[in-house]
Amino acid sequence: EPEVTQTPSHQVTQMGQEVILRCVPISNHLYFYWYRQILGQKVEFLVSFYNNEISEKSEIFDDQFSVERPDGSNFTLKIRSTKLEDSAMYFCASSGGTGVRYTEAFFGQGTRLTVV
Amino acid sequence: QQQVKQSPQSLIVQKGGISIINCAYENTAFDYFPWYQQFPGKGPALLIAIRPDVSEKKEGRFTISFNKSAKQFSLHIMDSQPGDSATYFCAALNSGGSNYKLTFGKGTLLTVNP
Repeated sequence: EPEVTQTPSHQVTQMGQEVILRCVPISNHLYFYWYRQILGQKVEFLVSFYNNEISEKSEIFDDQFSVERPDGSNFTLKIRSTKLEDSAMYFCASSGGTGVRYTEAFFGQGTRLTVV
Repeated sequence: QQQVKQSPQSLIVQKGGISIINCAYENTAFDYFPWYQQFPGKGPALLIAIRPDVSEKKEGRFTISFNKSAKQFSLHIMDSQPGDSATYFCAALNSGGSNYKLTFGKGTLLTVNP
């Protein structure tokens, strides 16, 4: 069964450092997302990406965050200068669909980011 | 208006019992309502989903009931098993939009005792 894969599974970084979280979405999917889950809390939308551009971003997704699809298969989330409050589980997701028809989103296993 | 409210926060059920989790939404543009199951350390996995043109959808032991006029939907797990112990999230989405953003409820931690 196709799956979304994320690397690394756990990343520890010092406050102020840059981190890049990587994702390989399902190959024929067109829509890509990053969500975040602070420990014990709900899953929150960060950003959606379609046709090589951001289609929507939440208020959490400020100038410190950026996304990229550098090579047609990977989808990355970069945090330029990490803060303690960025510590969370970050989930990548992808969904298919052509035109406007939505199909279910598949989530990766997540990257646990710990900022110290 | 974008919120999805979920209750209860936690639920303990005996094996063989029925687990019921409820969600309510405000945004009438939502037209796709999935439930996700999440085990510790894993990503959310789609369990079952419903569109508002039907009032109920059943897949095995899992049933979604949908009340469009009340803007509420619920997940029923029949014959609950210890392996069902997980966190369950309801979500909602506007499939006519351009970004397919899922709005999640806060989650329900289900514990099924043997």
